[in-house]
This record gives sequence, C-alpha cells and structure tokens, in this order.
Amino acid sequence: DVKVTQSSRYLVKRTGEKVFLECVQDMDHENMFWYRQDPGLGLRLIYFSYDVKMKEKGDIPEGYSVSREKKERFSLILESASTNQTSMYLCASSLPGQGVRQPQHFGDGTRLSIL
Amino acid sequence: GQQVMQIPQYQHVQEGEDFTTYCNSSTTLSNIQWYKQRPGGHPVFLIQLVKSGEVKKQKRLTFQFGEAKKNSSLHITATQTTDVGTYFCAAFSNFGNEKLTFGTGTRLTIIP
Repeated sequence: DVKVTQSSRYLVKRTGEKVFLECVQDMDHENMFWYRQDPGLGLRLIYFSYDVKMKEKGDIPEGYSVSREKKERFSLILESASTNQTSMYLCASSLPGQGVRQPQHFGDGTRLSIL
Repeated sequence: GQQVMQIPQYQHVQEGEDFTTYCNSSTTLSNIQWYKQRPGGHPVFLIQLVKSGEVKKQKRLTFQFGEAKKNSSLHITATQTTDVGTYFCAAFSNFGNEKLTFGTGTRLTIIP
C-alpha cells in the first residue's frame, strides 16, 4: 500500500512565523501535491511537483512556497504565517498519467492553527 | 481556471434511502475521479471515468459520466451507516497536465 506521511497531525504557530509542513511518500511517485481543505470550499491546490526540483503553481499559491529536493519529500512553506492560513493541509502523491490519469494518494493531513 | 460545481453541499438521509451527488463543469473534461473522505480521515480514491456516457458500478455505488463529458454523478442505493462521509468529484481538464480540480464535496449523513 502507498504510504503518504505528513510530519504533524496538529500544529499551532504564531502570526509572522515561518512554517514548514513536511510530506514523505514511500512509493517512488513522481507527482506530489499540496492542498488546503476548508469547510464549504473543498480541496484547493496550492502547489504541485512533477519531479525533483520542479514545481508548478496551483490555484492558490499566494503566501506559500514549496521545496522538492528529493523525490520522496515535498515540503510546503508558509513564508510569514497569517491567520487566514489556518486550515487543514493535505499532501498527496501519484504516478504520472502516461495517457491514463492515476489516482492520488493522500496523507492524513496537518491541521494548522495560526494564532 | 477550471471550476467544478458539486451539489448538494449536504444530504441527510434515512438508512436504506438512496443518495445522489452531482458534478457539473462548464468545460469539457478529459476524465473525472471520485473520492470519499470519512469523518476525520483523508480522501480515498473510489473510481475514475474516462469515456463519454460511461457507467461503472461498485456494489451499491453507481458512477456516471455525461455524454458531453461535462457532468458526472454518484448514486448510492440503499444507504448504510458505513456510507457516511464527504464525497468529492475531481476533474482533469483536456490540457494534459496532472492538475486535479476538486468539487466542493457533498457531505452525507445517515439517520439510523
């Protein structure tokens, strides 16, 4: 089974702090994704990555950056945390499509509170 | 960017009743995926639809992709308490990248 592990289940930080959320997958997947989930808004894509050192902006990249130095690890960075970034953050990974899209496998999520 | 509308946002049903959630897009979709998220859990892939008019079944769940590939539905027959959760559709555009756009989800609660 695919395992996607997020470093923290719950995290509390203060406004203005630099926050790192880590995600590791064990299935050698090329694609990795960061979403945030808010009530009534579903999952919104922040950033994704096709390969090491590659990144693409999703729908809501403002205030975030990412790092992918190794294939199995995809980090989400909140440069200067703000209260409107309080949310559930979900990491996912998948194989590349190659003509048929592949399912995404999700981690358990990090519930981040910015005070 | 691409938008996928999903309705209803909430659905409360008596155990044994049927349930349906609908997804609609203004643009043609290359394919569509469905996910289920149990309370406190993470989204789990259920199925993918690719062909125009496609219908797939998983036990009591029936998934349909519209003829114009702009809409999809998930129907659950005779709901059980294990069906509780939020159901999301997620669509790829025709533009060949891996970006999924998720619907807002339908939260299903079952009254025993």
